Amino acid sequence: EVQLLESGGGLVQPGGSLRLSCAASGFMFSTYGMNWVRQAPGKGLEWVSGLSGSDDITYYADSVKGRFTISRDNSKNTLYLQMNSLRAEDTAVYYCAKTGVDGLFYFDYWGQGTLVTVSS
Amino acid sequence: EIVLTQSPGTLSLSPGERATLSCRASQSVSSIYLAWYQQKPGQAPRLLIYGASNRATGIPDRFSGSGSGTDFTLTISRLEPEDFTVYYCQQYGSSTLTFGQGTRLEIK
Repeated sequence: EVQLLESGGGLVQPGGSLRLSCAASGFMFSTYGMNWVRQAPGKGLEWVSGLSGSDDITYYADSVKGRFTISRDNSKNTLYLQMNSLRAEDTAVYYCAKTGVDGLFYFDYWGQGTLVTVSS
Repeated sequence: EIVLTQSPGTLSLSPGERATLSCRASQSVSSIYLAWYQQKPGQAPRLLIYGASNRATGIPDRFSGSGSGTDFTLTISRLEPEDFTVYYCQQYGSSTLTFGQGTRLEIK
């Protein structure tokens, strides 16, 4: 059974940093692309960043480019999102999501999410 | 960036009725790069449809997807009480992935 478990969310001041983790199990983690998708309170879904499975190419939304870094540790089956220079508008539930079995960037499994609150 | 516009914003129907949800792209999207998700309150989204018309594992056959180019549709043939929630479309044909703003399906 595929499981994705996010952690690392919390309250951080504007300008601060936070690192999110997503522990994966139930599939061959190293061969699949992985993503972060966020949802601000009461709002819709926003894709944040993705990492391809085969060659670790990274992709970012313009809203986080230069501030966030996605990475993975295949030995630990874990995906990360390093978030720097956080802003109030980064406040959201952050989900990690696995790409589809054919390697395309739709999301067939999602974690339960971790809440990041940026506030002074 | 490809902008996806979903309509209507809210759809009011009764159980047993047919629901038709629309997703329009600002530029052409290959049909293999369009997905639909369902999200219930307090839960993560669930994949319903990928490649515009392929049902994900475990999704009931009352859910179907169609469309091409810039116009895509999610159809729920006979609404069940558990179907009244929010639906999102997503395109993955460009390096910047985007979602529609969502359609809320409510009980009339």
